[in-house]
Amino acid sequence: AQKITQTQPGMFVQEKEAVTLDCTYDTSDQSYGLFWYKQPSSGEMIFLIYQGSYDEQNATEGRYSLNFQKARKSANLVISASQLGDSAMYFCAMREGWAGTALIFGKGTTLSVSS
Amino acid sequence: KAGVTQTPRYLIKTRGQQVTLSCSPISGHRSVSWYQQTPGQGLQFLFEYFSETQRNKGNFPGRFSGRQFSNSRSEMNVSTLELGDSALYLCASSPDGTLNSPLHFGNGTRLTVT
Repeated sequence: AQKITQTQPGMFVQEKEAVTLDCTYDTSDQSYGLFWYKQPSSGEMIFLIYQGSYDEQNATEGRYSLNFQKARKSANLVISASQLGDSAMYFCAMREGWAGTALIFGKGTTLSVSS
Repeated sequence: KAGVTQTPRYLIKTRGQQVTLSCSPISGHRSVSWYQQTPGQGLQFLFEYFSETQRNKGNFPGRFSGRQFSNSRSEMNVSTLELGDSALYLCASSPDGTLNSPLHFGNGTRLTVT
């Protein structure tokens, strides 16, 4: 079974619109971390935001926020006021355990922002 | 601070050869991980090193190996290259590799096996 599921292969939005990228996860661990990364066409993987399983408040980083619904096992990324530079592949990822464990990635969502 | 540096950026090798990829982590980071990214399989974990010790390994054949030096720099080696090894290899570092430490990735090494 997939541990990280991103159901939207592609999303299209216009500049200044908000967009939500979906992510659901599957784990039986109590301690885990959820991450979102952005990968432009250049290939670099850019860390955006982190949410720990024990964090009660949703994480926010500038225009990025993570809508964390623990009971539903979802960790959606919300990008407010989209910009052309936001066009990229977005990956949701999870880490279980404590140290040295693998970051498990979803298959990604391609976001295209138009003017 | 300088980011994670991977060299070389591009490599073209022939089937059967071996290759070594290099990664310099962010200064002060002691955990280094390696990932393989392909269109078909996506991002897959290869291994993680901390203080010169491999703490975790993904499900890859023994042809894939790595090591970490005392200055936290890491190398990854692939022997007897196969066409399927063509991929983007990403190195990532974090201070200690703990759960809440985000991984910071390099630009990757794009390996093409012909």
